Amino acid sequence: DGGITQSPKYLFRKEGQNVTLSCEQNLNHDAMYWYRQDPGQGLRLIYYSQIVNDFQKGDIAEGYSVSREKKESFPLTVTSAQKNPTAFYLCASSTPNGYTFGSGTRLTVV
Amino acid sequence: AQTVTQSQPEMSVQEAETVTLSCTYDTSENNYYLFWYKQPPSRQMILVIRQEAYKQQNATENRFSVNFQKAAKSFSLKISDSQLGDTAMYFCAFIHAGGTSYGKLTFGQGTILTVHP
Repeated sequence: DGGITQSPKYLFRKEGQNVTLSCEQNLNHDAMYWYRQDPGQGLRLIYYSQIVNDFQKGDIAEGYSVSREKKESFPLTVTSAQKNPTAFYLCASSTPNGYTFGSGTRLTVV
Repeated sequence: AQTVTQSQPEMSVQEAETVTLSCTYDTSENNYYLFWYKQPPSRQMILVIRQEAYKQQNATENRFSVNFQKAAKSFSLKISDSQLGDTAMYFCAFIHAGGTSYGKLTFGQGTILTVHP
């Protein structure tokens, strides 16, 4: 079955470390997105990519980086510059007909 | 920029009763889509219902229906015959159809719905 796979499900990071969250899709969707979810704030857009080798900043891109070298993959790196990285991260892909979401990664800074 | 507002942080309903979740949005665009997503404790985002702005008829999916008031920029979700499995966080979301912002979902803050037996 087609879908989006996010890994790992839980991730712990020490302060000052960079960490990369994986997002892979086999839906042949051109567009992919990363959202951050905090309690009481809904989902906020971090980065998005509409085609391979191109991506755009969303509303809260500071402290994050992405790459889109393959259509299937859109990894998100949380850098040490991100002041408060503890959150739930959702990856998604879309066509004009709708969105598909991954199951998320819970990142905790220890 | 588009904004989506859900003014009810939490709601509760008895099983088999009806509940309505509110959502308002702000946009200067005329061509857009509105969605309600459900996020159960598993945190998987599940599409509940979708409304095209150019359609006057309110969307319906089984027990779920919307009241879309375009002039008032209001998009409420009605859940009839509530079931325990409806317990979840519900998000209202907006997407602009066309232009450079095409494809980006803007979410409201969410409403936690609890269905009591």
